[in-house]
Amino acid sequence: GDSVTQMEGPVTLSEEAFLTINCTYTATGYPSLFWYVQYPGEGLQLLLKATKADDKGSNKGFEATYRKETTSFHLEKGSVQVSDSAVYFCALSDWSGEGGATNKLIFGTGTLLAVQP
Amino acid sequence: ETGVTQTPRHLVMGMTNKKSLKCEQHLGHNAMYWYKQSAKKPLELMFVYNFKEQTENNSVPSRFSPECPNSSHLFLHLHTLQPEDSALYLCASSPMAGTGALGANVLTFGAGSRLTVL
Repeated sequence: GDSVTQMEGPVTLSEEAFLTINCTYTATGYPSLFWYVQYPGEGLQLLLKATKADDKGSNKGFEATYRKETTSFHLEKGSVQVSDSAVYFCALSDWSGEGGATNKLIFGTGTLLAVQP
Repeated sequence: ETGVTQTPRHLVMGMTNKKSLKCEQHLGHNAMYWYKQSAKKPLELMFVYNFKEQTENNSVPSRFSPECPNSSHLFLHLHTLQPEDSALYLCASSPMAGTGALGANVLTFGAGSRLTVL
């Protein structure tokens, strides 16, 4: 079945360092891809998304490009801040049931990012 | 209040207790979801409701019983749980669950209910 694999954390960086969190996926169709972020004590929030190959999602200085040839959707940011400390989840959309009756997200395990001042 | 609200935020229960988790959304969405978040595991989809009808049950044990009385409210009734059921239970909603509309698969999550089973 469809699945998402992302790098294990924790990732510890100093402020203003460059961030990459790797994400690869397995899917039989043409999924949409997402990054969600979970700040301490909160639920998951959509960070960015891409719906087709070569699309680039971006938000708050974060970027990720949908690479069909490498089945990847790596998250990057040029200069991280302490406020970026959170757990980051890569996810893909999937349709199941008759005629794609149910839309659901399949998540990776999450990567904890800790940014030190 | 806006967004997705979950209560209680923390719950401790014994294996013989019966309790319920509540989720409420004020976004006008028609699909609601329960996810289980355990340490070092991917989020596990448990149930999906679309226009109050259950469209997905991801082989969840019967000791978890969902209820969706309307599109704005979702409950998870718990009984005779096991210690391994201890986790963060996340509720989410989306505009719809069964269409190809671009916004259909963007989920808005609540903050979660942290459950500890003794």
